[in-house]
Amino acid sequence: DSGVTQTPKHLITATGQRVTLRCSPRSGDLSVYWYQQSLDQGLQFLIQYYNGEERAKGNILERFSAQQFPDLHSELNLSSLELGDSALYFCASSVLGTGLDTIYFGEGSWLTVV
Amino acid sequence: AQTVTQSQPEMSVQEAETVTLSCTYDTSENNYYLFWYKQPPSRQMILVIRQEAYKQQNATENRFSVNFQKAAKSFSLKISDSQLGDTAMYFCAFMLGGGTSYGKLTFGQGTILTVHP
Repeated sequence: DSGVTQTPKHLITATGQRVTLRCSPRSGDLSVYWYQQSLDQGLQFLIQYYNGEERAKGNILERFSAQQFPDLHSELNLSSLELGDSALYFCASSVLGTGLDTIYFGEGSWLTVV
Repeated sequence: AQTVTQSQPEMSVQEAETVTLSCTYDTSENNYYLFWYKQPPSRQMILVIRQEAYKQQNATENRFSVNFQKAAKSFSLKISDSQLGDTAMYFCAFMLGGGTSYGKLTFGQGTILTVHP
C-alpha cells in the first residue's frame, strides 16, 4: 500500500458525460501528479500540483481539468468524454515534487467510456 | 523533448536466473534522474530503483541493479536470482532535474517480464 488513495477504483460512463476522479496523497506529501495509462499512448504525464498551485502540465486535453484543494487532496475532472478517454488514471504524490523525491503511485481509477 | 525507449516488448527468465532489461533515453540536458518502475498484474506502479545522473556509481537495491552509461544514454536493469513475484511489466522512466519539469516522469513503452518456475 503506497498510501495514495484513489476513488473510484472503477467507473463506467457514457460518451459525452463528465466524471470526477479523486485522490488523497500520502500524509505529508505536498505534490500531486496525474498520469494516464492507455493501450494507445502508454503512460503519460497529465499535470502536477504543488501545495495547491499548478506546477507542470503535460499532455492534458482541454476537456480535462484538475485542482488541488487546501487539504491537499486533488480531483481530476474529465468532461465530454470520448471512447478514447478509456484508460487507467493514476494519481501519485511526493513530498516536494522534485527529482530528489520518490513518487508514490495510487492503485489507479479504471475509466471505461461506452 | 525527452524520449525513453525500451526495445524489448517481452522477456522471460527461469526462476533463480539473471535477466537484464534494456532502456535508452534521449536528452540534451545534464541534470536528470532515471527510474525503473514495476507494474504487476494488480496494476500498482511500484518504484524499483532510481539513479541520479550526476552519480557515477550504479544504483543497487537488493537483487536489482542498474548499468548506467551516461555517454551512451543507456540505463539497463539487472534482476538477479529472479523470483516468481518479479513477473510484471517494467517501465523505464526519465525526469529532468529542474525548472517546471520537476516531477514529470517520461515513461518508456514497458517490457513484460515473465519468470518461469
